Amino acid sequence: DTAVSQTPKYLVTQMGNDKSIKCEQNLGHDTMYWYKQDSKKFLKIMFSYNNKELIINETVPNRFSPKSPDKAHLNLHINSLELGDSAVYFCASSRGGGLQNTEAFFGQGTRLTVV
Amino acid sequence: GEDVEQSLFLSVREGDSSVINCTYTDSSSTYLYWYKQEPGAGLQLLTYIFSNMDMKQDQRLTVLLNKKDKHLSLRIADTQTGDSAIYFCAESRTGGFKTIFGAGTRLFVKA
Repeated sequence: DTAVSQTPKYLVTQMGNDKSIKCEQNLGHDTMYWYKQDSKKFLKIMFSYNNKELIINETVPNRFSPKSPDKAHLNLHINSLELGDSAVYFCASSRGGGLQNTEAFFGQGTRLTVV
Repeated sequence: GEDVEQSLFLSVREGDSSVINCTYTDSSSTYLYWYKQEPGAGLQLLTYIFSNMDMKQDQRLTVLLNKKDKHLSLRIADTQTGDSAIYFCAESRTGGFKTIFGAGTRLFVKA
């Protein structure tokens, strides 16, 4: 039933490791996003994909590589994790752009802690 | 949220009205949103307003938009303790493929 689901919910890992976060939406949306929320709750867009194509890449280090195998999935792979990567990562989806309402539906977040 | 600004904290008494303010910068934004985030949860859309509207009312929520000043506000009538959360103002940009969020206003409701 969950509209946007991401796994895992919690991820604790050591510096230097590589990890992935998966995201799936069952809303039939064309656009998916990754957002990063830091400890002060600031929410910044990282990537935006529309129909599996990268639309927005907000100067994110290239250690972060999103992959969209199909419209319903947008996974985030992070190489060589650093302490500063610790945050909550939110996946979201919406209908495509243009003049329509692009209300975003968010997953529950993945709390990544790098030790 | 460098381009969407909102105050970080607001404290009200239960039963009072809460008004959360936001300023944005992109006059071409077509939709403006208010999201609510409860502890440990993702963001949920509360309400939105299309840029050609001045006001939208939805039960206890009233959104006011002043396009000239690029100012958006959210009024919550009869605020309840369950309204305690972080409220994010957001604008839709880049043809709708990028939503920019403010820093969030932490609303504390005292019983």
